[in-house]
Amino acid sequence: AQSVTQLGSHVSVSEGALVLLRCNYSSSVPPYLFWYVQYPNQGLQLLLKYTTGATLVKGINGFEAEFKKSETSFHLTKPSAHMSDAAEYFCAVSGSGTASKLTFGTGTRLQVTL
Amino acid sequence: EAGVTQFPSHSVIEKGQTVTLRCDPISGHDNLYWYRRVMGKEIKFLLHFVKESKQDESGMPNNRFLAERTGGTYSTLKVQPAELEDSGVYFCASSYGQGIGGEQFFGPGTRLTVL
Repeated sequence: AQSVTQLGSHVSVSEGALVLLRCNYSSSVPPYLFWYVQYPNQGLQLLLKYTTGATLVKGINGFEAEFKKSETSFHLTKPSAHMSDAAEYFCAVSGSGTASKLTFGTGTRLQVTL
Repeated sequence: EAGVTQFPSHSVIEKGQTVTLRCDPISGHDNLYWYRRVMGKEIKFLLHFVKESKQDESGMPNNRFLAERTGGTYSTLKVQPAELEDSGVYFCASSYGQGIGGEQFFGPGTRLTVL
């Protein structure tokens, strides 16, 4: 069984400040980890993913995440927030099998203030 | 290239009525997934098609839900009869082939409200 915990349903940062969205997972098999973003009235868009290899993963729009097996974490960061980053962010895990279903966290809504 | 499309975008129905949601995946994507998000909760997996076959339907809540994917192209999800707890946003996603950690492309969702 797999599960994802996202700490903080709402996070507010100032424009230009560091963005840190937390994600911890539980998986009985080597996990594949994903961050998705949902802008208003749109579908989920993949930000980045970790499958194997380098544990620091870079994604779109300046976001990155680091897979830390010892901490079972996959936190999402961005050095400098922009107003356009305001959205809801979802962490998800799947098994190492191919084309596996995603197990999502409850989501974190990011607010960016001036 | 067109993305995943879903119809309708919103649906409001009375308890006991029937609703059918439609998903058109990206052309050529064999894998099609349905997910649901009940307000304030996580997005939950419902089922997975590979072409026209149900690969995994472990997330389907009960037998009031029927999913089909005739011909391996678009899919429908029928709820009959609808109950209040079926309200939520239904997402469809598709992915290509059997690539490891393959990206699932999501549609905008159908917001279902059962009154």
